[in-house]
Amino acid sequence: AQSVTQPDIHITVSEGASLELRCNYSYGATPYLFWYVQSPGQGLQLLLKYFSGDTLVQGIKGFEAEFKRSQSSFNLRKPAVHWSDAAEYFCAVGKYSGGGADGLTFGKGTHLIIQP
Amino acid sequence: ETGVTQSPTHLIKTRGQQVTLRCSSQSGHNTVSWYQQALGQGPQFIFQYYREEENGRGNFPPRFSGLQFPNYSSELNVNALELDDSALYLCASSLASGNPPGYTFGSGTRLTVV
Repeated sequence: AQSVTQPDIHITVSEGASLELRCNYSYGATPYLFWYVQSPGQGLQLLLKYFSGDTLVQGIKGFEAEFKRSQSSFNLRKPAVHWSDAAEYFCAVGKYSGGGADGLTFGKGTHLIIQP
Repeated sequence: ETGVTQSPTHLIKTRGQQVTLRCSSQSGHNTVSWYQQALGQGPQFIFQYYREEENGRGNFPPRFSGLQFPNYSSELNVNALELDDSALYLCASSLASGNPPGYTFGSGTRLTVV
């Protein structure tokens, strides 16, 4: 069964500083990988996704993520955070069932706090 | 294009009751999946519907059931509500042929069971 681990429950970063959120996954084949962001009381917004090709993926809001197969990781990065980036971040893995899309397995999330 | 809309936004039910949550898919999407997000946790996959049939299910009991309609909208039904069913229920739509599929989530329905 697939699983996702986000080792950091909380991360505090100063505004303007760089950010890296960690994600490790367990899956037997090539997975779909996603990063979502969730503001309090809201749904999930897709930041970026990866299936194949270039292992460095660009997303919205200046975020990027790098897929490293050897480390089973898909870490999210941003060169300079803004106060509006404070939110909950979820890494997710999905599988392609051949007959269509399938469900996602999410990590427990990382809560990002931005210090002024 | 319209996004995913869910109704109602909030709901309070009594233990043992039944509840129906509704979801309208994003225009052009033919697959709908439902997730349960308990407070402080990541979303957990309940099930997925494609062409009006359930084609994937997570670790949830049969009292969680659903429907998908010809217009790709969907319902989540939960019978015999338990206190632990209190959560944010998220609906996501996608296009089956996408590779990888882009799941678009709604804002959710907050269910409180008392």
